[in-house]
Amino acid sequence: AQTVTQSQPEMSVQEAETVTLSCTYDTSESDYYLFWYKQPPSRQMILVIRQEAYKQQNATENRFSVNFQKAAKSFSLKISDSQLGDAAMYFCAYRSESGANSKLTFGKGITLSVRP
Amino acid sequence: NAGVTQTPKFQVLKTGQSMTLQCAQDMNHEYMSWYRQDPGMGLRLIHYSVGAGITDQGEVPNGYNVSRSTTEDFPLRLLSAAPSQTSVYFCASSSYGLAGVSDTQYFGPGTRLTVL
Repeated sequence: AQTVTQSQPEMSVQEAETVTLSCTYDTSESDYYLFWYKQPPSRQMILVIRQEAYKQQNATENRFSVNFQKAAKSFSLKISDSQLGDAAMYFCAYRSESGANSKLTFGKGITLSVRP
Repeated sequence: NAGVTQTPKFQVLKTGQSMTLQCAQDMNHEYMSWYRQDPGMGLRLIHYSVGAGITDQGEVPNGYNVSRSTTEDFPLRLLSAAPSQTSVYFCASSSYGLAGVSDTQYFGPGTRLTVL
């Protein structure tokens, strides 16, 4: 079974600075997808970024980028130019590519606070 | 296009009561799932469905029933509520992309359930 580990329960960043959130996972599969979801106080789960394991290039979405290290099974999220609206809980998630099974396995999440 | 909707947003039950959490999506997604979110636990899969008439168990299915009579709706039933079922419940849906591999999951706004 796949596992996703987010070892830092909380992090803090100064507004306009850069922060990196860590995530590691364990799998025996070679093809899979990785995601970062943001959950603000409204509780809504918002997709931030996704990475296909077969792609060597790291995904980027505006101020959000990932550092995907397949051999090390590491998938960190970098937030540049942090904004107050980035304060939220962030979840790393894994999904297998095999078959029609779309189960997401989530990490326990990390709470990010942004200092003005 | 409302996306994924859930009702109710909040619910308080007494131990032993039964209720149904509603979930609907208007994106014609084949895949739907239910997760529960508990503090420090991330999101855990309860049940999922790959299409109308097909359901399967996830990681924590005990105490919950589901059915999928239409593509749009995927209700979650608590047969006899217990305090351990106090949680936030999320419904999610996704479509299938190329080669039957499902696409990104979209989440509903969540239901906060308290069982006394």
